[in-house]
Amino acid sequence: EAQVTQNPRYLITVTGKKLTVTCSQNMNHEYMSWYRQDPGLGLRQIYYSMNVEVTDKGDVPEGYKVSRKEKRNFPLILESPSPNQTSLYFCASSLSQGGGSPLHFGNGTRLTVT
Amino acid sequence: DAKTTQPTSMDCAEGRAANLPCNHSTISGNEYVYWYRQIHSQGPQYIIHGLKNNETNEMASLIITEDRKSSTLILPHATLRDTAVYYCIVRVNDMRFGAGTRLTVKP
Repeated sequence: EAQVTQNPRYLITVTGKKLTVTCSQNMNHEYMSWYRQDPGLGLRQIYYSMNVEVTDKGDVPEGYKVSRKEKRNFPLILESPSPNQTSLYFCASSLSQGGGSPLHFGNGTRLTVT
Repeated sequence: DAKTTQPTSMDCAEGRAANLPCNHSTISGNEYVYWYRQIHSQGPQYIIHGLKNNETNEMASLIITEDRKSSTLILPHATLRDTAVYYCIVRVNDMRFGAGTRLTVKP
């Protein structure tokens, strides 16, 4: 089944403890992206990647890192998480960045930083 | 990317057609119109997209006006499970979500 898989689904951590949220897609998509969703602020893009080894900042990149060493994986790294990064995170992928390629989303990771 | 304007909320009776409008008056020629929905806190679900022509799939129909400045998503026979937030997005490259329309399907 074609899908975007994120892990973990739920994560509770403490301030400053490095963490990684994994994202994998099995559709051979070139484009991948991370979003965070907060009440009243909607979905905002954190980082995106147009292909292997090509990443770029979205609208809210501060405090996050990403890497794209393989086409299928696009992990989101929080080197020193803070409470304001408590949020619902979504990974997404599409065949290309171009307008005609639908974006497919994972089921989300709910992160709580205390 | 062009901005979109959607009503904050709408109601629809179960079994009736749900017509969700979207204004995108600043859309440019190469921008696609996309519709997604999000049920509770699940990942946004792709519904349909189009450039100029009307489109139909197993979930919905998309009607785009001739000047492309607005569009309507039609769910032909709404069910209770269609209750969700519906997002209209205009996209060339990156996808930016607005507040969407909260559709409530009532028995």
